[in-house]
Amino acid sequence: NAGVTQTPKFQVLKTGQSMTLQCAQDMNHNSMYWYRQDPGMGLRLIYYSASEGTTDKGEVPNGYNVSRLNKREFSLRLESAAPSQTSVYFCASNPQGNTEAFFGQGTRLTVV
Amino acid sequence: QQQVKQSPQSLIVQKGGISIINCAYENTAFDYFPWYQQFPGKGPALLIAIRPDVSEKKEGRFTISFNKSAKQFSLHIMDSQPGDSATYFCAARDSGSARQLTFGSGTQLTVLP
Repeated sequence: NAGVTQTPKFQVLKTGQSMTLQCAQDMNHNSMYWYRQDPGMGLRLIYYSASEGTTDKGEVPNGYNVSRLNKREFSLRLESAAPSQTSVYFCASNPQGNTEAFFGQGTRLTVV
Repeated sequence: QQQVKQSPQSLIVQKGGISIINCAYENTAFDYFPWYQQFPGKGPALLIAIRPDVSEKKEGRFTISFNKSAKQFSLHIMDSQPGDSATYFCAARDSGSARQLTFGSGTQLTVLP
């Protein structure tokens, strides 16, 4: 049982480049989330998907887009990367109505 | 706007001591308060959680104390061990349809051997 899988684990981008962070869960969870983690800031919600076919903005959505491709997969796209988007990105999922959120291992992104 | 405030930012405790981390929240719509533990290079993992109708929950060496009227909750780690050295995040979940978690800023705990 893999849980929540994120790819890639590490990435370096040049300013202005684009990329997509992939996330997949095999727990049949309805809700999925993207967070970014920065020192002293905790985890801040970028976007979430309460169920397949729906997405909503979180606390810090600017510069990002998401796609809930199916129930398993939720991708995060940076259209034009900026140094301010240097961070560790975490995907998470939980069953609708349940309490525990399960996190992936994270993607460490550096924008130079 | 930080809806969940966590302190201290860092904590150093001797082996066998008690570690205490505090959090305060503002949103009265929060209905679930988990603590997550994160080791370097890993994603956060649920450690212990409490609902607001309970004032205390204990699981092994870990205890959550919850004060609904003060809108505060804390994590106590008894008999702290070097293996407890990690970053701890408190969080609060809103009661809306998305069940979003709002996290505190984190506490880096170091337990000295």
